[in-house]
Amino acid sequence: QKEVEQNSGPLSVPEGAIASLNCTYSDRGSQSFFWYRQYSGKSPELIMSIYSNGDKEDGRFTAQLNKASQYVSLLIRDSQPSDSATYLCAVNFGAGSYQLTFGKGTKLSVIP
Amino acid sequence: NAGVTQTPKFQVLKTGQSMTLQCAQDMNHNSMYWYRQDPGMGLRLIYYSASEGTTDKGEVPNGYNVSRLNKREFSLRLESAAPSQTSVYFCASSLTPPSTNEKLFFGSGTQLSVL
Repeated sequence: QKEVEQNSGPLSVPEGAIASLNCTYSDRGSQSFFWYRQYSGKSPELIMSIYSNGDKEDGRFTAQLNKASQYVSLLIRDSQPSDSATYLCAVNFGAGSYQLTFGKGTKLSVIP
Repeated sequence: NAGVTQTPKFQVLKTGQSMTLQCAQDMNHNSMYWYRQDPGMGLRLIYYSASEGTTDKGEVPNGYNVSRLNKREFSLRLESAAPSQTSVYFCASSLTPPSTNEKLFFGSGTQLSVL
């Protein structure tokens, strides 16, 4: 059974702080990793993807991947109230697979 | 540019009733997907269609059928609705399998309640 685990939260951080969201997955052979943001009552939207070990930065967002530890994280710098949402970690366990496995999501609240 | 369009947005059914959720995309994508999202359960794949003319089961296919009507449209049918199928349903599409260079585009969702 391929699984993706996330702390459901809620995670509360003050405005301007760094928010750190974590995700672990069960299959060491996993290929690609995604972070989706979902506002309440809305559909998910992709904010970051990563497939190689290390860090990938895009604006205030940094995705970090450690395949040996089967761990992927998302850092949000200078958190804003508009970042308050549920963040979904998703893993594609096989190259060319059509099946993304999603975690249950971590709810983030940024307090003004 | 509409992207992925789902209908209806809301639906209430009685146990045993049937219905079809419609999904259409205008991005010329090859692949389409149906997910359900339950509180505390994340998104789970019901069925997907890698390309026109093909469909495959996902993680939770029981109680559902799908039809890839053409390249644009992918429908999800509940033949005999059950309360356990109360959920939010999302249709999604992508040009190729999801990868770091290819993301899923989601529709706005259908809130389905089965009484």
